[in-house]
Amino acid sequence: GENVEQHPSTLSVQEGDSAVIKCTYSDSASNYFPWYKQELGKRPQLIIDIRSNVGEKKDQRIAVTLNKTAKHFSLHITETQPEDSAVYFCAANPNFGNEKLTFGTGTRLTIIP
Amino acid sequence: DTGVSQNPRHKITKRGQNVTFRCDPISEHNRLYWYRQTLGQGPEFLTYFQNEAQLEKSRLLSDRFSAERPKGSFSTLEIQRTEQGDSAMYLCASSAAGRGQETQYFGPGTRLLVL
Repeated sequence: GENVEQHPSTLSVQEGDSAVIKCTYSDSASNYFPWYKQELGKRPQLIIDIRSNVGEKKDQRIAVTLNKTAKHFSLHITETQPEDSAVYFCAANPNFGNEKLTFGTGTRLTIIP
Repeated sequence: DTGVSQNPRHKITKRGQNVTFRCDPISEHNRLYWYRQTLGQGPEFLTYFQNEAQLEKSRLLSDRFSAERPKGSFSTLEIQRTEQGDSAMYLCASSAAGRGQETQYFGPGTRLLVL
């Protein structure tokens, strides 16, 4: 089955700086890669996703890049703000999201004012 | 509120008791997923339904766990003879089938504590 590894487990960044979180996956059939943000005590919420036919996707301060050959994908947050502090999870799926997601172990991001 | 809802939000039970959780998906979504999340970990897949059909079950779902979605709308997850290791957050998610509609929207979860 699919295995997703995520690094780093914790990340502290000065407000205004950029943050990068990296994930690798094992199943070359995976073709859908969402990123979820989970604030303390709240539900995971999708912030961005990418499909395997695209190498990069951007939404305002958030971008995701995908390298299918190396089987890794990354989340980039620019101009970080205090409200970006949360736990971020990457996930992978072999059927464009229409089945189970396999999640990474999460990255706790702290933005230092 | 048109999002995914779950009840109860919190459940404390004694070891050996049975518990049942309910998930109400977004109304037009025909896919419903159950995940379990323990502290410091990402959600782990348990099972999922398309309409009323249960299509996949994880090996994590022992014989003590059963899930139903009788009319293709809400779903229940029952844990029989609870163990302390069952303590976790149980998350439900729903999505619409088909490409471009695959986003899984999560509910707030039910936090289970087994004493």
